[in-house]
Amino acid sequence: DTAVSQTPKYLVTQMGNDKSIKCEQNLGHDTMYWYKQDSKKFLKIMFSYNNKELIINETVPNRFSPKSPDKAHLNLHINSLELGDSAVYFCASSQVSSAGAYNEQFFGPGTRLTVL
Amino acid sequence: GQNIDQPTEMTATEGAIVQINCTYQTSGFNGLFWYQQHAGEAPTFLSYNVLDGLEEKGRFSSFLSRSKGYSYLLLKELQMKDSASYLCAVVDSNYQLIWGAGTKLIIKP
Repeated sequence: DTAVSQTPKYLVTQMGNDKSIKCEQNLGHDTMYWYKQDSKKFLKIMFSYNNKELIINETVPNRFSPKSPDKAHLNLHINSLELGDSAVYFCASSQVSSAGAYNEQFFGPGTRLTVL
Repeated sequence: GQNIDQPTEMTATEGAIVQINCTYQTSGFNGLFWYQQHAGEAPTFLSYNVLDGLEEKGRFSSFLSRSKGYSYLLLKELQMKDSASYLCAVVDSNYQLIWGAGTKLIIKP
């Protein structure tokens, strides 16, 4: 009964390809996130999404797009992969109440993407 | 701009005490988190401070001073398994989480 799960765990692909990473949470949270962690271990927010609002980090290239079929899933699609996209991608979820109360984020195990 | 500073790396001895500092400059403040991340694994939640003072949780404690834009994570009775990166993150006025680069803690026997 994993709380936040991601697939695949490892993804190796060629430059120019299009790939997707799936994320699912069974915690009933209303907000999900995608992070990129590069080789320097800096955790960078890419997107945060709830059923009302998608917040995009403006530095993220538009080759990256989140897609949420329902509240429990937030998938990440990447078009025209580049060498610099190689990193670990983490999905996370949290419950952010309407009053703005903030709870901790629960992270998935990560997907290590390698672009050759 | 928004900025969170932590030391890049620290070394401590098993059984000792270590304090990891975090200073922040953000647009507003709605709380500060500490996360632990072991190599190759996901970050896991350690603590949350929104009011000034010390929060104790077992061997780990976290302190906050909002007027100084400062927090620290205190780890006591260090164990080898505490070797990890420790990430400081601040919730800003838009309820966005701003992350520090993390402090890599190395524990030596």
